[in-house]
Amino acid sequence: DAGVIQSPRHEVTEMGQEVTLRCKPISGHDYLFWYRQTMMRGLELLIYFNNNVPIDDSGMPEDRFSAKMPNASFSTLKIQPSEPRDSAVYFCASSRDRANEQYFGPGTRLTVT
Amino acid sequence: AQKVTQAQTEISVVEKEDVTLDCVYETRDTTYYLFWYKQPPSGELVFLIRRNSFDEQNEISGRYSWNFQKSTSSFNFTITASQVVDSAVYFCALSESYNSGGYQKVTFGIGTKLQVIP
Repeated sequence: DAGVIQSPRHEVTEMGQEVTLRCKPISGHDYLFWYRQTMMRGLELLIYFNNNVPIDDSGMPEDRFSAKMPNASFSTLKIQPSEPRDSAVYFCASSRDRANEQYFGPGTRLTVT
Repeated sequence: AQKVTQAQTEISVVEKEDVTLDCVYETRDTTYYLFWYKQPPSGELVFLIRRNSFDEQNEISGRYSWNFQKSTSSFNFTITASQVVDSAVYFCALSESYNSGGYQKVTFGIGTKLQVIP
């Protein structure tokens, strides 16, 4: 299996622009997670899905953030409008179930200027 | 209170020394799972080990070993004869049930940055 795939790997955008991050989980994994990692706040869980259904989005910082999972093989995290404080590395991860480990994608390094 | 506490934010050791990374967790579940992940300077997060709450056997994998003690709610990680390649941030994580639906709730600790000096 190719592992969790994220795109783009790097994104530089100007404040106010819309940003869309993409994730393809490992086939057969029922859980998908979006995390944000910064030096100040560490690794934060933003939202996770089970069987394409959002289960817990309490970590989404504000309404500018939204996430979708239209099918089992694709998820997006959108920021609109983006702000400099959104600059971070965003990780997507998937797991088979809650008993199993998460497999992380390589991350998307987002810089908002 | 934090669900997963990694009290050591940074540790520096000289190569070949042994080092133990501490992890203390908090849960009301009787069935839960504990994990360790490694994040080397390259940035990717790599799974190291999983433990379920019913298996308190210590585990050894090469230079790595894990000590799970339910009595103290700890799941510590020891690297024997550390090497420069062990330099990374190590995260401990807890997976427990989320409401009654059986969904997963995973909480990561803040991580311990290990620097192995040659």
